[in-house]
Amino acid sequence: QSVLTQPPSASGTPGQRVTISCSGSSSNIGSNSVIWYQQLPGAAPKLLIYRSNQRPSGVPDRFSGSKSGTSASLAISGLQSADEADYYCAAWDDSLNGVVFGGGTKLTVL
Amino acid sequence: EVQLVESGGGLVQPGGSLRLYCAASGFTFSTYWMHWVRQVPGKGLVWVSRISSDERISSHADSVKGRLTISRDNAKNTLYLQMDSLKVEDTAVYYCARAASGTRNSLDVWGQGTMVTVSS
Repeated sequence: QSVLTQPPSASGTPGQRVTISCSGSSSNIGSNSVIWYQQLPGAAPKLLIYRSNQRPSGVPDRFSGSKSGTSASLAISGLQSADEADYYCAAWDDSLNGVVFGGGTKLTVL
Repeated sequence: EVQLVESGGGLVQPGGSLRLYCAASGFTFSTYWMHWVRQVPGKGLVWVSRISSDERISSHADSVKGRLTISRDNAKNTLYLQMDSLKVEDTAVYYCARAASGTRNSLDVWGQGTMVTVSS
């Protein structure tokens, strides 16, 4: 059981906008920034969003992050087949004194 | 090219030891926080440990505390994970990762991973 809760799956059609939620608590998302990773099949994870809503250079602006209270979400607009991957949220947890991950959301582009 | 290359994985019996290595190149290793993250094939990411750039601060997940120990040698641009008293549940792909500049936990560079299998 992961400390951060994500839906196990999400789907959308090309061009559509999808959102993936991430729910936590006051000790993690409530007091620290949220990080999002994308993991393509057979590859290492890739940093997508940091500081809850910042994109590293090279990440398209189709990807955006937001945080409110103890929840966060990742939005992907203009969905492409190349976006089919697993997505993970993460945050520092002050109580556990460690990084906690969500269980991951498998995104399918129909 | 910024790169992290893990090595040292393999098959080990329960209760045994293993040392993982992560060779860094293409960046000033001594100025970045570093992490280990593991993943059972087909399952999710699990954080293992992190260490500060000057190696003064380290943290470990409760599940590995006292058995797995992170360390680094900035002169050799190398991150380590000493794995002792290994359990079957430690079986996973182990990734080393770099925290992005100015952050401690946003991992912007990852290695390819090294597989650790704990089995009799």
